[in-house]
Parts: sequence; structure tokens; C-alpha cells
Amino acid sequence: EPEVTQTPSHQVTQMGQEVILRCVPISNHLYFYWYRQILGQKVEFLVSFYNNEISEKSEIFDDQFSVERPDGSNFTLKIRSTKLEDSAMYFCASMEGLGAFFGQGTRLTVV
Amino acid sequence: TQLLEQSPQFLSIQEGENLTVYCNSSSVFSSLQWYRQEPGEGPVLLVTVVTGGEVKKLKRLTFQFGDARKDSSLHITAAQTGDTGLYLCAGADLGYALNFGKGTSLLVTP
Repeated sequence: EPEVTQTPSHQVTQMGQEVILRCVPISNHLYFYWYRQILGQKVEFLVSFYNNEISEKSEIFDDQFSVERPDGSNFTLKIRSTKLEDSAMYFCASMEGLGAFFGQGTRLTVV
Repeated sequence: TQLLEQSPQFLSIQEGENLTVYCNSSSVFSSLQWYRQEPGEGPVLLVTVVTGGEVKKLKRLTFQFGDARKDSSLHITAAQTGDTGLYLCAGADLGYALNFGKGTSLLVTP
């Protein structure tokens, strides 16, 4: 069964460092998303991507964040200068039609 | 931002009991999705409901979308310990962000 894969599963980084989280969405899907979930809190929308551009973004997705689809398969989230409060699970999702399929997430810890 | 309220926040029941959890909003959605999330993992899609009044069954799980497409319920019959998890509802408009509720944390004990 097709699935969304994310790497790495865990990432520890120092405050101020750049991180890139990687995702391979389901191949025939057209809509891609990044969400995050701070421990014990709700799943929060960051950004959606369609037709090679951002279609919607939340207040959380400020200038420190960027997304790319550098080739036909990968979808990346970059955080330029990480802050302590960026520590969270980051989930990639892809959708075609109804229903989004989520990856297993990357646990980002900023120290 | 369209708010989705889920209730109850926590639910602890014994195996074999029935339960219903709710998802309510003041906004109308083109579709509503239910997910189950285990600790440390991503949400897993259970069902999408689209039509007002729609009822969908997935084995012991019954999902209903309100007539006005603002609310939904999930009913589990004869709960099993394997049903333990966080149940999330998310409202959606095609191509736009899924807006999640905070979830109902269900614990089913033997």
C-alpha cells in the first residue's frame, strides 16, 4: 500500500541551526502539506503546496520556514534558524481527492 | 480559523462497552475526516464524510455527518483494547488546510 515516508525520524539540533525535514509523498497525489504537533497539543497546520507553489500557509509559517519540491518525488521543509519552541513532531501529508495520508513524522528537538 | 471542538477530551471505558465521541463546529465543511493517532506516530485516516446526514460504517465504528455539515460523531460498538488511541476529527475544503480538533483520548481497559 502506498505510504508517505519521512526522514529522519528524529533530529536533534542546536538553537540557531538550520534543519531540513524530508518527505516523499504518495506518487500520484497533488496536494502536499506540513503539519506540526507540539507534545500534548493539537495537530497544527503549517503550509499546503499545490502545483509547485504554496497555496496556503498559517501564521506559524513565518520567514524562517520554507518548502521545496526539488524533484518529482521529494517535498522538504526547511527551518532556517531553529528556536527552542520549534521542538515538535513534524508531519508531512499528501492528498488526492478526499482524505489526507500522513507520514510517521520527524521528531525535532532543538537544544 | 474554523474551530472544531471535540468531546469528551478523555474517555476511559471497559472492553465491551459502547461509546460515542463528538466533533462540533460553527462552520460548514465540504468534508470531515476522522483519524486515529497512536503516541509518536502520524494520524491514520479512518473515514471521510461528505454529504450532510451521511452515515458510514467501518466494522464496529459508525461515523455520522450532521445534516448541516457542521458536526460529526463517531460511535464504537463493543470497544476492544486495540481501539485505544487519540481520535481526531478534521474539517476540510478541497485543496485547503485540514483543520484539526484537539482530539478525544480513548482508553479501553480489559
